[in-house]
Amino acid sequence: QSSVTQPPSVSGTPGQRVTISCSGRTSNVGENAVNWFQHLPGTAPKVVIYADDRRPSGVPDRFSGSKSGTSASLAINGLRSEDEADYYCGTWDDRRLGFVLGTGTKVTVL
Amino acid sequence: QVQLVQSGAEVKKPGASVTLSCKTSGYTFTQYYVQWLRQAPGQGLEWVAIINPKDGDATFARRFRDRATLTADASTSTVYLDLTNLKFDDAAIYYCARDSVAPHNPAFDYWGQGSLLTVS
Repeated sequence: QSSVTQPPSVSGTPGQRVTISCSGRTSNVGENAVNWFQHLPGTAPKVVIYADDRRPSGVPDRFSGSKSGTSASLAINGLRSEDEADYYCGTWDDRRLGFVLGTGTKVTVL
Repeated sequence: QVQLVQSGAEVKKPGASVTLSCKTSGYTFTQYYVQWLRQAPGQGLEWVAIINPKDGDATFARRFRDRATLTADASTSTVYLDLTNLKFDDAAIYYCARDSVAPHNPAFDYWGQGSLLTVS
């Protein structure tokens, strides 16, 4: 099981703000850059946030990331139907000497 | 333009071996890591391995360390993932992705289309 935990699901209505937490350890979230992946099963994942809080070009500014200590968060403002997907945080783990993905959160747009 | 093109679907029996490939183009092969992730049916994303094509140094998730190999062929800008002693739960879609060497540059910015591995 992953050492980085996320809530299994979050939901919101269109236009709402939702946040996804990513709780880890000093060896992973605490000391390494956190990336956030958006994934629709059967398609290639897409990074919506990298290096804790940076947004790749082409990703809407509705997506934002933050980190404090051993916890990171992804916020989606102005939720849209196309945001419905699975979201994973991911970061390097200095103790396990490998990349670790969070447990994943399903975002549902009601 | 940057592209990662993965090999086609594979069907293997338990105990067999498989080689998946990820052919890159449009950038300097040795200047970016290549990561591998997978998603099994009904399961979440799982990290598999990473390779630095510059020196061939590879790191694997613990569950693959004794039966996976990564090779980077600079002459063809292709990364190969070899997985031996296949198990039923190795059945998944395997994705390769380009990753930045520099920690604050865009990460996992280009992806392959995925390779479906069936173990049956």
